[in-house]
Amino acid sequence: EVQLVESGGGLVKPGGSLRLSCTASGFTFSRYTMNWVRQAPGKGLEWVSSSSGSSDYKYYADSVKGRFTISRDNAKNSLYLQMNSLRAEDTALYYCATSRLGIYAFDIWGQGTMVTVSS
Amino acid sequence: EIVLTQSPGTLSLSPGERATLSCGASQSVSGNYLAWCQQRPGQAPRLLIYGASSRATGIPDRFSGSGSGTDFTLTISRLEPEDFAVYYCQQYGSSPTTFGQGTKVEIK
Repeated sequence: EVQLVESGGGLVKPGGSLRLSCTASGFTFSRYTMNWVRQAPGKGLEWVSSSSGSSDYKYYADSVKGRFTISRDNAKNSLYLQMNSLRAEDTALYYCATSRLGIYAFDIWGQGTMVTVSS
Repeated sequence: EIVLTQSPGTLSLSPGERATLSCGASQSVSGNYLAWCQQRPGQAPRLLIYGASSRATGIPDRFSGSGSGTDFTLTISRLEPEDFAVYYCQQYGSSPTTFGQGTKVEIK
């Protein structure tokens, strides 16, 4: 079964750090660009970051550039998001997502992990 | 970045009725790389349509997408109870990929 499972969310104070993980199964992880997409409570979807299969290319939304770092370990079928200098506006459900279609139309999503930034 | 504007914000319809959702782009979407996804309460999004009009695997044929350039439409021919949800359009022709704000389809 094709699956993405996120973990690592939690409550953190403003200025703090958190590391999210996403573990993949059921497909050849190393072949695909992996992404983080977030959704603030009651709001829409926002793309956060992408990493190509070999980690050669990494992209970030302007809202997180310089604070978040995406990485992956293909041997462990895992994707990570290191989040530093967290702000209240980073509070969201963070999804791991990918596309088997070779494009950015995401056909595989995890269930999400919640990050709450609050004092 | 390309801004996507969805209309209406909320669509109130009855099961069996036809739903028409619109997505307008602030500039032309390259390659008509426009997707639609569905999000039910408490669930992750699910891809319905990609490339403006291609149905994703396992998506019923009551869902159809159309449009090009800056104007796109998702049509649900006959609403089933499980179709009442929020729908998002997403463009992936230009970086960064962006999403619309969503259209909620609710039971009238």
